[in-house]
Amino acid sequence: QKEVEQNSGPLSVPEGAIASLNCTYSDRVSQSFFWYRQYSGKSPELIMSIYSNGDKEDGRFTAQLNKASQYVSLLIRDSQPSDSATYLCASPFIYNQGGKLIFGQGTELSVKP
Amino acid sequence: NAGVMQNPRHLVRRRGQEARLRCSPMKGHSHVYWYRQLPEEGLKFMVYLQKENIIDESGMPKERFSAEFPKEGPSILRIQQVVRGDSAAYFCASSPSGQGKLINSGANVLTFGAGSRLTVL
Repeated sequence: QKEVEQNSGPLSVPEGAIASLNCTYSDRVSQSFFWYRQYSGKSPELIMSIYSNGDKEDGRFTAQLNKASQYVSLLIRDSQPSDSATYLCASPFIYNQGGKLIFGQGTELSVKP
Repeated sequence: NAGVMQNPRHLVRRRGQEARLRCSPMKGHSHVYWYRQLPEEGLKFMVYLQKENIIDESGMPKERFSAEFPKEGPSILRIQQVVRGDSAAYFCASSPSGQGKLINSGANVLTFGAGSRLTVL
């Protein structure tokens, strides 16, 4: 059965540092990966998606995908206290059906001022 | 353009009662997904529906849970005879059709609602 694994954290970084969040997956067929941010008591919000090997940058966020090693990571540069949230890694159960996602447990990030 | 609307936002039920959670997808979206988030756990897929059809209910508990998405009106997740273990946040998400193409472009195929938080006393 396909699995997506994340360290639950919490991960604590000082303001302005780089936060590195990691996710591994078990299914070699997986094509696409998503990073969602979830503030406490709120719904998940998509912040990055990646489906090709390598890096994808969007502002302060960089997603990295390594299909050979089956891991995907999210880097947050110049971390801000407002980045404090739980970050969920997700991938479709079936590669071409985008709505049925398997989520990791989530990594709680705390950015200290 | 309203997003995915869920109600009620908070629902309290006593053990043995029924809970009904409603979800109206985004305008133009024809696919609805329900996810459950138990305390201290990640999101778990429950069921995938299109209008008048259940496409995939592989994540739904076999008993007491049911879902529908009628031709008219919102999608409903129904939990009969609730138990304390049903206390969770239930999120609805919707997507447009053609998600197969979208997913391979990395597009955002899912838009989540604010969630309904069920507390069973």
